[in-house]
Amino acid sequence: QSVLTQPPSVSAAPGQKVTISCSGSSSTIGSNYVSWYHQLPGTAPKLLIYDNNKRPSGIPDRFSGSKSGTSATLGITGLQTGDEADYYCGTWDSSLNVWVFGGGTKLTVL
Amino acid sequence: QVQLQESGPGLVKPSETLSLTCTVSGGSVNSGDYYWSWIRQPPGKALEWIGYVYYTGTMNYNPSLKSRVTISVDTSKNQFSLSLTSVTAADTAIYYCARVKRNFWTGYYIPWWFDPWGQGALVTVSS
Repeated sequence: QSVLTQPPSVSAAPGQKVTISCSGSSSTIGSNYVSWYHQLPGTAPKLLIYDNNKRPSGIPDRFSGSKSGTSATLGITGLQTGDEADYYCGTWDSSLNVWVFGGGTKLTVL
Repeated sequence: QVQLQESGPGLVKPSETLSLTCTVSGGSVNSGDYYWSWIRQPPGKALEWIGYVYYTGTMNYNPSLKSRVTISVDTSKNQFSLSLTSVTAADTAIYYCARVKRNFWTGYYIPWWFDPWGQGALVTVSS
């Protein structure tokens, strides 16, 4: 069981918007910055969002991140079939002094 | 552009030691801004952070694996390595290496984000 809780799956139609939640605690998301990673089938994870809401170079602005209290949210607009992937949140746990990932959310674009 | 590449045996026998190396190109493990980390992913499961090393040799490990893990860095070869002892079938996973941004936060340095990642190396534990 992961320290960060994500829904196992979400789905939406092409062109629509979807959000993926990541719930933590005061010692994880409540105290530290969150990053998001996406993992296309059969490939390595890739950084998608860092510092809660910043996008690395090359990541389209269809992807956004936010944080409030002990939860973070990844938003994806204008869904494309190529967005089908597993999405993971991650942050530092200041209480356990470990890095933690969420359990991952599988996005299906119907 | 920094790239990372894992290498090592794809099959390890139970009770033996898993050893992997990550070769860094396009950048230096001597960079003071980054940690160098290992993460694993059992088939069909989530990511699990294993630990990281700093170029000075400072390490930090996941407590769940700490008694069996060693991560070391070889600055002369621009590589860092993972050693996991006494493996069982539960250690079967894809093992990724990654560069980790290091940042000063609330009084000490902590990992900030992971980028880039290596392509991953599947290690199967089986006799």
